[in-house]
Amino acid sequence: GDSVTQMEGPVTLSEEAFLTINCTYTATGYPSLFWYVQYPGEGLQLLLKATKADDKGSNKGFEATYRKETTSFHLEKGSVQVSDSAVYFCALSVNNQGGKLIFGQGTELSVKP
Amino acid sequence: DTAVSQTPKYLVTQMGNDKSIKCEQNLGHDTMYWYKQDSKKFLKIMFSYNNKELIINETVPNRFSPKSPDKAHLNLHINSLELGDSAVYFCASSQDPKSTDTQYFGPGTRLTVL
Repeated sequence: GDSVTQMEGPVTLSEEAFLTINCTYTATGYPSLFWYVQYPGEGLQLLLKATKADDKGSNKGFEATYRKETTSFHLEKGSVQVSDSAVYFCALSVNNQGGKLIFGQGTELSVKP
Repeated sequence: DTAVSQTPKYLVTQMGNDKSIKCEQNLGHDTMYWYKQDSKKFLKIMFSYNNKELIINETVPNRFSPKSPDKAHLNLHINSLELGDSAVYFCASSQDPKSTDTQYFGPGTRLTVL
């Protein structure tokens, strides 16, 4: 079945460090791919998305490129801030599945000053 | 002002009780969802409704009964609560049930069953 695998956390970085969170997927057909972020005590909010191969999603300094050949959608940011501390979820959605999002297990990021 | 709201935010109850969680969205969306987040933060879809019609029921026990009185509301009623139902429940909405649509999530309801 369709699935998403993320690198395990927690990830701890110093402020201004480079961030990569790996995400790979398995899906029938051509999924749309998403990164959602969950700040402590809050719901999820969309960080970025890509709906077809080679698309790059970007927002707030975060980027991810939809790589069909490696079935990956890795999240990157050049310089993290303390305020980026949160749990990051990679997710996919496939056509004709009622909009169902399939999530990875989440990666907790902690940024220290 | 809140796009997707849920009530209550916290719910503590005894095993065997029946409880409801309410969700409302003011985004004018046609599709609403319930997701369950377990203690390890893993998220899984439970239900999806489009225009008040059920379109996904992800093998959820029939103790869980969603109800959509109109497109802006999707409530979740849970009968005979069990310890394993303890989780955070998130409501979400999107314009359509398309794979490309962004889903907007509510703040969650933390259910604790004692």
